[in-house]
Amino acid sequence: QKEVEQDPGPLSVPEGAIVSLNCTYSNSAFQYFMWYRQYSRKGPELLMYTYSSGNKEDGRFTAQVDKSSKYISLFIRDSQPSDSATYLCAMSATGNQFYFGTGTSLTVIP
Amino acid sequence: GAGVSQSPSNKVTEKGKDVELRCDPISGHTALYWYRQSLGQGLEFLIYFQGNSAPDKSGLPSDRFSAERTGGSVSTLTIQRTQQEDSAVYLCASSLGYRGQETQYFGPGTRLLVL
Repeated sequence: QKEVEQDPGPLSVPEGAIVSLNCTYSNSAFQYFMWYRQYSRKGPELLMYTYSSGNKEDGRFTAQVDKSSKYISLFIRDSQPSDSATYLCAMSATGNQFYFGTGTSLTVIP
Repeated sequence: GAGVSQSPSNKVTEKGKDVELRCDPISGHTALYWYRQSLGQGLEFLIYFQGNSAPDKSGLPSDRFSAERTGGSVSTLTIQRTQQEDSAVYLCASSLGYRGQETQYFGPGTRLLVL
């Protein structure tokens, strides 16, 4: 079993839709949770960071962590064509070694 | 300011040859990470450095892989006797410190193709 599971998609939505991206994990020691966005042929860039459980909001993006269910989510409101990218979840127990999901490919259609 | 840079951006090599991949982190960043990204596999952690030392080498796939960092700055990932399964994008990231709350900034990656 992989440490982190993420549906690879692809996910295609119309502009303005609410997008929900999810990851599940098996290691209950994970306490650092991150979402990265990766455009084609570029390195990932950090979108959201959450420590332990709870919600975090930044503009159109909301990250949720449910440690009891070992489940994390990223919501994108009012999605834009510029949001089209691959979204990677990442998590760590120690803050040193990070485990990444395989990424979900998102296309927002104008 | 300058971000993380990696060189070469693309590398094609023949099976059995050695390759060296270079990473220049953001100036002042003490932590440096190497990852491998294969199609459909996500990012695979390889190794991280705190300064010049690598406390955790457990992610290196085999003894053909090695990495070093000098002067607390530039890092080199070396793959000896390359195999076709080594073909992937090798990503480097750096962060100001090496605790979980520090943001990792990624370079654009080196695309390695082993023929």
